[in-house]
Amino acid sequence: DTGVSQDPRHKITKRGQNVTFRCDPISEHNRLYWYRQTLGQGPEFLTYFQNEAQLEKSRLLSDRFSAERPKGSFSTLEIQRTEQGDSAMYLCASSARQGLGNTIYFGEGSWLTVV
Amino acid sequence: KQEVTQIPAALSVPEGENLVLNCSFTDSAIYNLQWFRQDPGKGLTSLLLIQSSQREQTSGRLNASLDKSSGRSTLYIAASQPGDSATYLCAVNAGNQFYFGTGTSLTVIP
Repeated sequence: DTGVSQDPRHKITKRGQNVTFRCDPISEHNRLYWYRQTLGQGPEFLTYFQNEAQLEKSRLLSDRFSAERPKGSFSTLEIQRTEQGDSAMYLCASSARQGLGNTIYFGEGSWLTVV
Repeated sequence: KQEVTQIPAALSVPEGENLVLNCSFTDSAIYNLQWFRQDPGKGLTSLLLIQSSQREQTSGRLNASLDKSSGRSTLYIAASQPGDSATYLCAVNAGNQFYFGTGTSLTVIP
């Protein structure tokens, strides 16, 4: 068990460019979450996968954002036409069960700076 | 929508002191509540998970309690150490997502 892995850890991009983040969850965890966190705030929910199915999306996830989890393993979060307001830490997490379930584990996050 | 509030926003204590962090939530229909620690620029590290049917959980110097009916949880840290300095976040699991508070920033002074 190597934990939740995120890549890249830091990304600086110019406004208008596209960026993609990758998340590798803990193996055998079927639930995967993406959150966004800005300085001084708690993480905000973006989207949730159960296996390969994207079951819930926040209204924060504008049409410039898209997330996938092909084959129910790793996940990608793509942001198109980045804006300065997209600058934040993007956190991925995974868990094994829902409801009366197990602990949710977070990765180290991917920092995005849009200049 | 579930609202999670953490008080105080910041706390500074001398080493060795016992302390309590508070978390309140608006909707008691939760599956569980989890406490996390976050160091600057890092991800979240899970500390304790309390199921909705439980009243408390303990791990080492940490004890977390849950009163679901009143929408409150506390994290008790005994004999604080400088290494405990971090931001502590509580998260409520309701449905398919976890709702977070804004955290308590703890500084333990040697």
